[in-house]
Amino acid sequence: EPEVTQTPSHQVTQMGQEVILRCVPISNHLYFYWYRQILGQKVEFLVSFYNNEISEKSEIFDDQFSVERPDGSNFTLKIRSTKLEDSAMYFCASKAGTGTGYVQPQHFGDGTRLSIL
Amino acid sequence: SQQGEEDPQALSIQEGENATMNCSYKTSINNLQWYRQNSGRGLVHLILIRSNEREKHSGRLRVTLDTSKKSSSLLITASRAADTASYFCAPQTDSNYQLIWGAGTKLIIKP
Repeated sequence: EPEVTQTPSHQVTQMGQEVILRCVPISNHLYFYWYRQILGQKVEFLVSFYNNEISEKSEIFDDQFSVERPDGSNFTLKIRSTKLEDSAMYFCASKAGTGTGYVQPQHFGDGTRLSIL
Repeated sequence: SQQGEEDPQALSIQEGENATMNCSYKTSINNLQWYRQNSGRGLVHLILIRSNEREKHSGRLRVTLDTSKKSSSLLITASRAADTASYFCAPQTDSNYQLIWGAGTKLIIKP
């Protein structure tokens, strides 16, 4: 079964450094998402992306964050100047296009554990 | 807050018993989804129930939805050790189609 893949599985970065988290969504999916989950806490929505642009973003997704779909397969999340509180698991998800009246679930990758020192 | 809330926060039962987890939410929804998360892994979609459905089954899973009470339940019958995981309900709003997440129910199945 096709799956969402994320790299790296663990990223350790010094505070203030830039980090790029990479995701390869399921091919032919049209909707892409980033979430984060601080250890043991709830999943938090960051951003959704459709038709090559951001469709929704949360308050967490401030000017330090950006997303890109540089080619037909990758979907990246960049944090420009990392802070200690950015330490979390970051999950990418993708979803197929929806036909009229048919709802699709989101498919998640296994996440990237980001540790800011 | 639109946040979904799972109840209980943690549940520990013997293998073979049934496990019931509840979810409440505050907003108007298009559908409600349940996901499972094994420790250190991503979220795996289990089942989706639309707002006009009241009950849905998938294998050992049974989900109910009461939109008048803004609540849902997930029943896992004949639990197995492999069911040990955190379970999240994710109502999808009918305004912007976002999934709303709670903190999950941590389910432990004792052999």
